[in-house]
Amino acid sequence: DSGVTQTPKHLITATGQRVTLRCSPRSGDLSVYWYQQSLDQGLQFLIQYYNGEERAKGNILERFSAQQFPDLHSELNLSSLELGDSALYFCASSVGGGTGGANSPLHFGNGTRLTVT
Amino acid sequence: GQQVMQIPQYQHVQEGEDFTTYCNSSTTLSNIQWYKQRPGGHPVFLIQLVKSGEVKKQKRLTFQFGEAKKNSSLHITATQTTDVGTYFCAGPNNQGGKLIFGQGTELSVKP
Repeated sequence: DSGVTQTPKHLITATGQRVTLRCSPRSGDLSVYWYQQSLDQGLQFLIQYYNGEERAKGNILERFSAQQFPDLHSELNLSSLELGDSALYFCASSVGGGTGGANSPLHFGNGTRLTVT
Repeated sequence: GQQVMQIPQYQHVQEGEDFTTYCNSSTTLSNIQWYKQRPGGHPVFLIQLVKSGEVKKQKRLTFQFGEAKKNSSLHITATQTTDVGTYFCAGPNNQGGKLIFGQGTELSVKP
């Protein structure tokens, strides 16, 4: 058990809809990262937050947004969903705040599998 | 942009055979990390290498960081069925430090 909690485990929704993915980091970790994993794209970095502030951004679509709350949990909001957004979304946390987690091991949650129909 | 490439993409071995996956970066890396993802699971951190030419061992797993800090390898001796999964290398992006993952090498082991 990595200590990182992600909910829900599965999400099935229709095109055009909006969903929210939730992540609670390991106790003591200040950084939260979001990754998208699809079969043809591997693990794609979306965004990182450190202690409530956005720290690094990847190829995150404008339809996607995230935030980290004072209790350090994070939410990833996906809107105007398209079929191509179907993927596994991982949250990870780390102790350090080095931009993008470059110097700290990442601890991944179990992921949320999003299916857009 | 910066790329982290891994080869091979897939490797099928007989139990007891050795396995190696190679990771190459288009730029020099300050460090490299390795992760393992079991089928249906999430990536799990294995190790981090920082120094040029560094070699680290974890039981049957040997990790190397190249002298130029642009490549790395993971070697598994005498594979077991428990080694099945996808092995990812990851290195910092040189423009912002975010961790860039290779495409992974999927290992299957036939008993």
